[in-house]
Amino acid sequence: KAGVTQTPRYLIKTRGQQVTLSCSPISGHRSVSWYQQTPGQGLQFLFEYFSETQRNKGNFPGRFSGRQFSNSRSEMNVSTLELGDSALYLCASSFLSTGLAANNEQFFGPGTRLTVL
Amino acid sequence: DAKTTQPNSMESNEEEPVHLPCNHSTISGTDYIHWYLQLPSQGPEYVIHGLTSNVNNRMASLAIAEDRKSSTLILHRATLRDAAVYYCILRDDGGSQGNLIFGKGTKLSVKP
Repeated sequence: KAGVTQTPRYLIKTRGQQVTLSCSPISGHRSVSWYQQTPGQGLQFLFEYFSETQRNKGNFPGRFSGRQFSNSRSEMNVSTLELGDSALYLCASSFLSTGLAANNEQFFGPGTRLTVL
Repeated sequence: DAKTTQPNSMESNEEEPVHLPCNHSTISGTDYIHWYLQLPSQGPEYVIHGLTSNVNNRMASLAIAEDRKSSTLILHRATLRDAAVYYCILRDDGGSQGNLIFGKGTKLSVKP
């Protein structure tokens, strides 16, 4: 079974631009979560989608948005990029969402390394 | 979500067992204890999880204290490939959150 894939793997943008990152979950998984990892803040939850609906959202500004398609693939978008948005963006998929997910594991992709200049 | 406390770093010798501790004194009855590891420049990887009883899988063992206020991830024979950051995370079975809340984790170094 193929794992979680993320594209692109590396991206360089300049301040003020916008960026779209893509995530393809494991086949059959309907929940996709996004995380941001920086050296200073560690791994922080951005949002979770399940069956095309945003279920949970972390404490990030509205410049960060996402969506999920009917095939469970997900995209996240960051508008008006700032230097502080430079990070590793990780996508994770799991079979279940909400509380039932507590007894299930999340499968992470390799991440997209975003550098904002 | 309840919080966890882990040592910032630990060292081990290759081929010796490693015991990674985690304190979660405010754990609720519906919290599952999960462990993930992260190798450099890679996404986190699931290791093991449990609720009340000790758990074993091909990667590791999870020992859960009787009062569930602490747990220990046991790597039976450390290898150089086990050098990673290990995260202990609580997930609420009764909540609506599907996400993982990561702390700083324990950076494990393995000496040959």
